[in-house]
Amino acid sequence: GENVEQHPSTLSVQEGDSAVIKCTYSDSASNYFPWYKQELGKRPQLIIDIRSNVGEKKDQRIAVTLNKTAKHFSLHITETQPEDSAVYFCAASKGSGRRGNQFYFGTGTSLTVIP
Amino acid sequence: EAQVTQNPRYLITVTGKKLTVTCSQNMNHEYMSWYRQDPGLGLRQIYYSMNVEATDKGDVPEGYKVSRKEKRNFPLILESPSPNQTSLYFCASSSHRGGYEQYFGPGTRLTVT
Repeated sequence: GENVEQHPSTLSVQEGDSAVIKCTYSDSASNYFPWYKQELGKRPQLIIDIRSNVGEKKDQRIAVTLNKTAKHFSLHITETQPEDSAVYFCAASKGSGRRGNQFYFGTGTSLTVIP
Repeated sequence: EAQVTQNPRYLITVTGKKLTVTCSQNMNHEYMSWYRQDPGLGLRQIYYSMNVEATDKGDVPEGYKVSRKEKRNFPLILESPSPNQTSLYFCASSSHRGGYEQYFGPGTRLTVT
């Protein structure tokens, strides 16, 4: 099956700096890559996603890049704010076929933004 | 309000006592899934369902059962719980037409002693 690795496991940045979280995947058939944010004691919530036919996607201060050749994708948060402090999870999925919609998550990155 | 609900939110039980965690969504989603979350291991998929009467094993299905008799409900059954099933469980749903975004329930904290 798919193997998703996520780094770093913890990340501390000063408010206003950028944060980058990286994930690699093993199955070249994966074609959907979401990022979820989980605040302490809360449920995971989707913040951005990207499909394999796109190299980059932006949504205000958040961006995701995908390198299909190298099988890695990254989350970029610019101008970080204290409310960005949370655990972030990447995931990979093959969005079609019999095995479609099986999701593999990374182990998470705990981001702390220091005011 | 569009939502995914789970019950119970907290459960302490003993080894071997059968239990069911319910999951319901009111968004008419075809796809539903169960995950367990353990420290350092992230979210691991237990079972998923593409539609009524269509369920598939995820990465860690051992010791769990599911059923999908109605579109809105997807219960998780532990027939003989063991301490290694102590975990935080999340149910999620998504619409195939919605681009695969998953909406998660609030979670169920299960402790098996």
